[in-house]
Amino acid sequence: EAGVVQSPRYKIIEKKQPVAFWCNPISGHNTLYWYRQNLGQGPELLIRYENEEAVDDSQLPKDRFSAERLKGVDSTLKIQPAELGDSAVYLCASSQFVLAGGQVGNNEQFFGPGTRLTVL
Amino acid sequence: LAKTTQPISMDSYEGQEVNITCSHNNIATNDYITWYQQFPSQGPRFIIQGYKTKVTNEVASLFIPADRKSSTLSLPRVSLSDTAVYYCLVGDPYQAGTALIFGKGTTLSVSS
Repeated sequence: EAGVVQSPRYKIIEKKQPVAFWCNPISGHNTLYWYRQNLGQGPELLIRYENEEAVDDSQLPKDRFSAERLKGVDSTLKIQPAELGDSAVYLCASSQFVLAGGQVGNNEQFFGPGTRLTVL
Repeated sequence: LAKTTQPISMDSYEGQEVNITCSHNNIATNDYITWYQQFPSQGPRFIIQGYKTKVTNEVASLFIPADRKSSTLSLPRVSLSDTAVYYCLVGDPYQAGTALIFGKGTTLSVSS
């Protein structure tokens, strides 16, 4: 089974430019997460989707960050305009909480390889 | 969510057993302890999860004392490929969509 796919893997842009990251979660996973990981730190949640609904975006800097998950599958995270401090690795993760038959599952999250953003 | 404290770094040699301890004094009744592993240039990967006593899988063991205020991840006979950052997290895995709160983790360096 394919894991979480992210693209691009690396992105270098000038400050004030826009940038977008794409994520394709594991098939059937209803929950999708975007995390940001700064150098030497653990990942920090930016936004969480349940299907196509953003249910937790309290940590998303809404003045410049936006995200969407159309049709409850793929997701895109955008930054416009980018700032120097946005340089980080952007990780996407997915989980399947409700199992087939409605059985309560486990929120083990599966992470993609991340996109390393460098803002110059 | 309960805060966790773990050592910033640890060093080991191939073939040794490595024990990484995590403290979580404010763990709640419904909380489980979960460990993730992260290699360079990769996203974190689930290793093991437990509620109390001992849990073992093909990768590691997790020891949790009765008061659950700490836990120990045990990696038997480590190899160079076990060099990674290990994160201890505490939370309720049966609460839908609970975000993972990562600390800085423990950087394990394994030498030959």
